[in-house]
Amino acid sequence: NAGVTQTPKFQVLKTGQSMTLQCAQDMNHEYMSWYRQDPGMGLRLIHYSVGAGITDQGEVPNGYNVSRSTTEDFPLRLLSAAPSQTSVYFCASTRLAGVNTGELFFGEGSRLTVL
Amino acid sequence: GESVGLHLPTLSVQEGDNSIINCAYSNSASDYFIWYKQESGKGPQFIIDIRSNMDKRQGQRVTVLLNKTVKHLSLQIAATQPGDSAVYFCAENRAGRRALTFGSGTRLQVQP
Repeated sequence: NAGVTQTPKFQVLKTGQSMTLQCAQDMNHEYMSWYRQDPGMGLRLIHYSVGAGITDQGEVPNGYNVSRSTTEDFPLRLLSAAPSQTSVYFCASTRLAGVNTGELFFGEGSRLTVL
Repeated sequence: GESVGLHLPTLSVQEGDNSIINCAYSNSASDYFIWYKQESGKGPQFIIDIRSNMDKRQGQRVTVLLNKTVKHLSLQIAATQPGDSAVYFCAENRAGRRALTFGSGTRLQVQP
């Protein structure tokens, strides 16, 4: 089982550029989410989805878009990258019941630097 | 607002000793409390959760204690091993809310 796969692992962007971070899971999880992790801070939720065609905003959604066309994939789009978006991004998934108990399955992360 | 915080940013222990990582929370409505382990360069990994109607829960070499009176959560690791070196996060959630709130993390360093 691959679990949660994120690509790319590293990316450098210039301010104003756009890009998409890819996330795929092979566990048939209904729930998928994106977090960002900054030094000295916990993980902060950007967007999440409880199923194909359904997305919702988290704590820090500004500057990011998501879509969920299939159960397996949940890409995160940066529309116009800013230095404040320099961070490590994690995708996580779980069954809907697992959201309550907090048992998320995380990918390995995508480290993004915006110059 | 709600918050989940940790008392110490770094905890250093000797191999074989027991480790205790503490966490304070502010939301009395939290239903679940969760501990995650994050090794360097990897994503967080679920360790254990505890429901708010419980005081204690045990897993393999880990025990989580919940004190709702003082809104305090702790993770105890027995016989700490070098492989336990990581950052540990506590998190909380409420039933029906589809978003965890994470604390800022404690780095556990295991000295040989």
